[in-house]
Amino acid sequence: EAGVTQFPSHSVIEKGQTVTLRCDPISGHDNLYWYRRVMGKEIKFLLHFVKESKQDESGMPNNRFLAERTGGTYSTLKVQPAELEDSGVYFCASSQDHGPGQFNSPLHFGNGTRLTVT
Amino acid sequence: AQSVAQPEDQVNVAEGNPLTVKCTYSVSGNPYLFWYVQYPNRGLQFLLKYITGDNLVKGSYGFEAEFNKSQTSFHLKKPSALVSDSALYFCAVRDTGDTGKLIFGQGTTLQVKP
Repeated sequence: EAGVTQFPSHSVIEKGQTVTLRCDPISGHDNLYWYRRVMGKEIKFLLHFVKESKQDESGMPNNRFLAERTGGTYSTLKVQPAELEDSGVYFCASSQDHGPGQFNSPLHFGNGTRLTVT
Repeated sequence: AQSVAQPEDQVNVAEGNPLTVKCTYSVSGNPYLFWYVQYPNRGLQFLLKYITGDNLVKGSYGFEAEFNKSQTSFHLKKPSALVSDSALYFCAVRDTGDTGKLIFGQGTTLQVKP
C-alpha cells in the first residue's frame, strides 16, 4: 500500500507570506494527525482529524494556522501569515484506529515538509 | 498529564557492541508505548510497540524494548549495533484520551562507529 505522502518536501518563504502544506494519508485511515518539530526540539502535536472532523486542535499554536480535511481524505495545513518561529519540519501521520480505548495501532508518518521562513 | 523523557541527547556505540537507548514515561492508567526511528531526510518509521503482554517486545531491524512497570521505563535495545543503525530515535506514548495522539520524547541521536 502507498504510505503517507506530504507535499512539498521543502518550502522556503519570506515572513508574511502564506504557505499551504498537503498530506495524503494511507487510504482507509480515518485518523489524520499533524505534528511539528522545531529545530532540535521534541515533536509536538498540532491537531487530529477523524475523517473530516477536527477531534483535537489543542496543539495549534495560534490562529495563523488553519487545517482542513475536506471529504475526509487529504488534509491541508495553511500558515498565514508566516512568522520566523514557524520554521521547522511538519509531519503528517495517519492510523486506522477506531475510537477511544482502541488506540493501539502505530501511526504511519510521512517524510515531512521542511518549512523555512526567512 | 502524560509525558515521555529520553535522558540522553546522544548515545555513542561501537559497531558490534550492544546498545541501549533510554526512555521513561509518566501516564495515568496503562501505557501504550512506541519507538520510532528517523533517518536523515526521512519520516518517522515505526520500530515496535508495547500494548500488553510480554515485557520484552521485539521489533524491526533486530531491535527490542523492555517494558518495566515498576521503573516506568521502556528502553530500546539491540544486542549488536550496526553502523546503519545511526539515526534519531524517538520514544512515544499514546494518549489514552479521545484523540490517541502520540506524545514524544525529545529524541536521542544514536551514533554507531565502525
